[in-house]
Amino acid sequence: GIQVEQSPPDLILQEGANSTLRCNFSDSVNNLQWFHQNPWGQLINLFYIPSGTKQNGRLSATTVATERYSLLYISSSQTTDSGVYFCAVELESGNTPLVFGKGTRLSVIA
Amino acid sequence: KAGVTQTPRYLIKTRGQQVTLSCSPISGHRSVSWYQQTPGQGLQFLFEYFSETQRNKGNFPGRFSGRQFSNSRSEMNVSTLELGDSALYLCASSPFPGEQFFGPGTRLTVL
Repeated sequence: GIQVEQSPPDLILQEGANSTLRCNFSDSVNNLQWFHQNPWGQLINLFYIPSGTKQNGRLSATTVATERYSLLYISSSQTTDSGVYFCAVELESGNTPLVFGKGTRLSVIA
Repeated sequence: KAGVTQTPRYLIKTRGQQVTLSCSPISGHRSVSWYQQTPGQGLQFLFEYFSETQRNKGNFPGRFSGRQFSNSRSEMNVSTLELGDSALYLCASSPFPGEQFFGPGTRLTVL
């Protein structure tokens, strides 16, 4: 099956720093989503980005589908950005569920 | 628009019992998927329903089952609970095809 690898697994930042999270996937995809899991366990949608670049405030994401990777950029990080960030993909063949990476655990320190 | 709702939010059961979890999707969404999250295995797909039909099923034993009703609400059932079934169970809804939106989850503890 498709492999989804996220790096780094853990990241500690000072408040105000910038970061880049990476997601590599092993097959062509129809759909790629980035989520932030809050301390209570809910997955918050960040981006739906099978290809191209999107921005939402301090966050932006880029997916290069031909090279099978996606990047999530967090600028001017805040303590509220702490949590686990997941990348999830759906195969291009369709009719498949989301396959999640293991996540990147981000800790932002004041 | 209201988001995905899941009930109950927390549940404590003992081994051998059974449990039913409920999920109400976003209005207009016809696809509902269920995922299990554990510290060891991460997020794993359980099953997906679309228009009351199971479209996909993950690699879980037959003790895990689900269904979807005509109003798109979905339930999942776990029979003969085991300690390893302790997990966060997440439901997602989607207009299919398209972006999936997750509920707050049900945290199940099996003692």
